[in-house]
Amino acid sequence: DAMVIQNPRYQVTQFGKPVTLSCSQTLNHNVMYWYQQKSSQAPKLLFHYYDKDFNNEADTPDNFQSRRPNTSFCFLDIRSPGLGDAAMYLCATSTQGLDGYTFGSGTRLTVV
Amino acid sequence: DAKTTQPTSMDCAEGRAANLPCNHSTISGNEYVYWYRQIHSQGPQYIIHGLKNNETNEMASLIITEDRKSSTLILPHATLRDTAVYYCIVRVAGYGGSQGNLIFGKGTKLSVKP
Repeated sequence: DAMVIQNPRYQVTQFGKPVTLSCSQTLNHNVMYWYQQKSSQAPKLLFHYYDKDFNNEADTPDNFQSRRPNTSFCFLDIRSPGLGDAAMYLCATSTQGLDGYTFGSGTRLTVV
Repeated sequence: DAKTTQPTSMDCAEGRAANLPCNHSTISGNEYVYWYRQIHSQGPQYIIHGLKNNETNEMASLIITEDRKSSTLILPHATLRDTAVYYCIVRVAGYGGSQGNLIFGKGTKLSVKP
């Protein structure tokens, strides 16, 4: 089945140590999104790619970066994770049409 | 900021219809109403969307008022597996830059009880 896959499901990283989360899709959607969801809160959009064009949300910290080497893959890089960056990170994809977004299962990041 | 208002929580008896309201009084003419749900520790799942007509699919029905200022998501026969947070979101459909992004509000936590 076509889907959005996030690896790993759980990630533990040390305070200040760079970490990369990955997302892949088999849907061939041209838009990919990264959301951050902290405990008991709604998902918060960090940024998205429309094809190769990167679009950052105004309040996304500089500590968060993203790469999209091809249509299928998108990475979230956290340059210096702090304790406040512990959260579930969700990847989603969409087309330009009316269809809803397809989300992955998320990566739960713990910072120690 | 989210453009919708939803009750914080609701309960529903298993097998009964769950009716989840949403207010979107500032909705624009080109904005659609989308509903998603998020089961604990999973990614959000698309349920349904509509512009002004009522919509139905295998998961739910969406009733939009004539003035489009509010809507109701109906799960006709709720099961325990429908326990989740339900998000009502208005957005420009299709890729419309920031206007088309999915911005989540607080949602309604639906608890389906035996």
